[in-house]
Amino acid sequence: DTVLTQSPALAVSPGERVTISCRASESVSTGMHWYQQKPGQQPKLLIYGASNLESGVPARFSGSGSGTDFTLTIDPVEADDTATYFCQQSWNDPTFGSGTKLEIK
Amino acid sequence: QVQLKESGPGLVQPSETLSLTCTVSGFSLTSYSVSWVRQPSGKGPEWMGRMWYDGDTAYNSALKSRLSISRDTSKNQVFLKMNSLQTDDTGTYYCTRDRGLWVSGGFDYWGQGVMVTVSS
Repeated sequence: DTVLTQSPALAVSPGERVTISCRASESVSTGMHWYQQKPGQQPKLLIYGASNLESGVPARFSGSGSGTDFTLTIDPVEADDTATYFCQQSWNDPTFGSGTKLEIK
Repeated sequence: QVQLKESGPGLVQPSETLSLTCTVSGFSLTSYSVSWVRQPSGKGPEWMGRMWYDGDTAYNSALKSRLSISRDTSKNQVFLKMNSLQTDDTGTYYCTRDRGLWVSGGFDYWGQGVMVTVSS
């Protein structure tokens, strides 16, 4: 299985720029997607294919990367972005990262 | 609009079988695939398996021996059955609309989820 590694937590202030990283144990090309999950809710797809913004998602969110290293960027961060962010690959049988919990100070 | 809704028991005895139903609306099961994804509390999600739009199935290799996914297109329903449940199968189970493999993939719609507890 393709293992996805994320840093566990980040804290930033409103208005700042934040980057959340995800590293794959093997190349997944651009078959990487990002989700936002707020407490008690289901995950929400933000970015697909590494850099494509899902319909209805604010342009403050963007994604980049290919191969094994990927980044989700939020710029500028808002208080409502407090959530856990997961990466997920679909190049092989789907796997998810363990999530990065984002706190807005 | 696209909707998915899971239903099934919230409590299952150890060693018993879990049966869940996903009822979809707003899209056709013969045009889109549906995957089951579960999530233990406080952990990342885990893909369990997929019902492809053409009726084929795919399973997580770690669960394949215990898991079966089927569908009834006339009722717009996808079913999950998993046997020999243990306490580490406790978590929230979601059905999702699955855009498939590679770049255009991702799970673009999710049900609300059903919390399943395995306990005697």
